[in-house]
Amino acid sequence: NAGVTQTPKFQVLKTGQSMTLQCAQDMNHEYMSWYRQDPGMGLRLIHYSVGAGITDQGEVPNGYNVSRSTTEDFPLRLLSAAPSQTSVYFCASSDSGGLSKTQYFGPGTRLLVL
Amino acid sequence: GQQLNQSPQSMFIQEGEDVSMNCTSSSIFNTWLWYKQDPGEGPVLLIALYKAGELTSNGRLTAQFGITRKDSFLNISASIPSDVGIYFCAGQLGTYKYIFGTGTRLKVLA
Repeated sequence: NAGVTQTPKFQVLKTGQSMTLQCAQDMNHEYMSWYRQDPGMGLRLIHYSVGAGITDQGEVPNGYNVSRSTTEDFPLRLLSAAPSQTSVYFCASSDSGGLSKTQYFGPGTRLLVL
Repeated sequence: GQQLNQSPQSMFIQEGEDVSMNCTSSSIFNTWLWYKQDPGEGPVLLIALYKAGELTSNGRLTAQFGITRKDSFLNISASIPSDVGIYFCAGQLGTYKYIFGTGTRLKVLA
């Protein structure tokens, strides 16, 4: 199992450009989520999905779109990048069943918006 | 947005010393999680707590779910250099939402 994979690892964008951050998991997890990590802020939830075709907003959703057409993939789209979106982005997945909902995190995508 | 208060923010300790950190919230949580993040990596789950008062160990790590359900503590005994990293607490809010703390950066001096 590769676990949770994210691409790209690094990205530099100009203000106003759009891009998609890719996230995939091969553990057949129903739940997937996107977080951003900023210095001194911990991780903040952007969007999450509890299954294919179902998405919902997290704490900081503005400026981001998501979709979940398959169980495996959960891409995050920046429609018009802004410098405030400079951050490290983490994707996570977990099994929705059972008491333990251990989240497995990907290695992160470091995004710089100029 | 909601945040968990985590302290201390950072700490330098000597190898072999014990370490304590805590996390507090104004909200009640049903689950507390503790993660460790190494540089350039995503967080990795260390310990999960599911019941108020629960005390759980994972090797040299021990975590407790506060009785009030508004706080949690993590202790690391006999620290070693590979303990260096950022430790995050997280509280489960609702079925699928997690709120993370601001992190405690640990540096171990050999």
